[in-house]
Amino acid sequence: GAGVSQSPSNKVTEKGKDVELRCDPISGHTALYWYRQSLGQGLEFLIYFQGNSAPDKSGLPSDRFSAERTGGSVSTLTIQRTQQEDSAVYLCASSRDRVGNTIYFGEGSWLTVV
Amino acid sequence: TQLLEQSPQFLSIQEGENLTVYCNSSSVFSSLQWYRQEPGEGPVLLVTVVTGGEVKKLKRLTFQFGDARKDSSLHITAAQPGDTGLYLCAAASGTYKYIFGTGTRLKVLA
Repeated sequence: GAGVSQSPSNKVTEKGKDVELRCDPISGHTALYWYRQSLGQGLEFLIYFQGNSAPDKSGLPSDRFSAERTGGSVSTLTIQRTQQEDSAVYLCASSRDRVGNTIYFGEGSWLTVV
Repeated sequence: TQLLEQSPQFLSIQEGENLTVYCNSSSVFSSLQWYRQEPGEGPVLLVTVVTGGEVKKLKRLTFQFGDARKDSSLHITAAQPGDTGLYLCAAASGTYKYIFGTGTRLKVLA
């Protein structure tokens, strides 16, 4: 597709369950970002992938969060043993390889932990 | 931790009024971007500024990057209901990582 695609768009899960969120970036974009946005708030950086370099995981809030990017394209964000405070919109974005280039966002995955 | 503070946090104005949104930090950034986000969508880039003191105009929106590259402002002239949304500033931290501001939620009443 032409834009960043995320799935699922909405996910309701029970506390303690694991969830996987998927991001399909724009073709040819080597940089991929995950951000978290709580209701009406700004964006919290989670993790950054650039090509084949080691990802910057400095924003992951706990070891329950992990992400991988296979083949330099699709990325999966996994949250284990979900907690209610994990409820948020998880936004994926991609860009070409350097700062200053436009970051294109997906529509996000809205996660609700009950 | 580098922070971008935006003010005001909320703003509700009448159509036709002018407004300014501020984005401030104690850190120096190589570039700064402004985004607008509408409900149910991801943020969309409005502008990128890279030079201290730079001013860019996008129709009724005027963006300025501070001389010291620590702050920025967004001025909207004659606001329209279509300007309603969440405005976010974002700055490059290091070579690639963008951090985002706390956001300004704007509502323009017809």
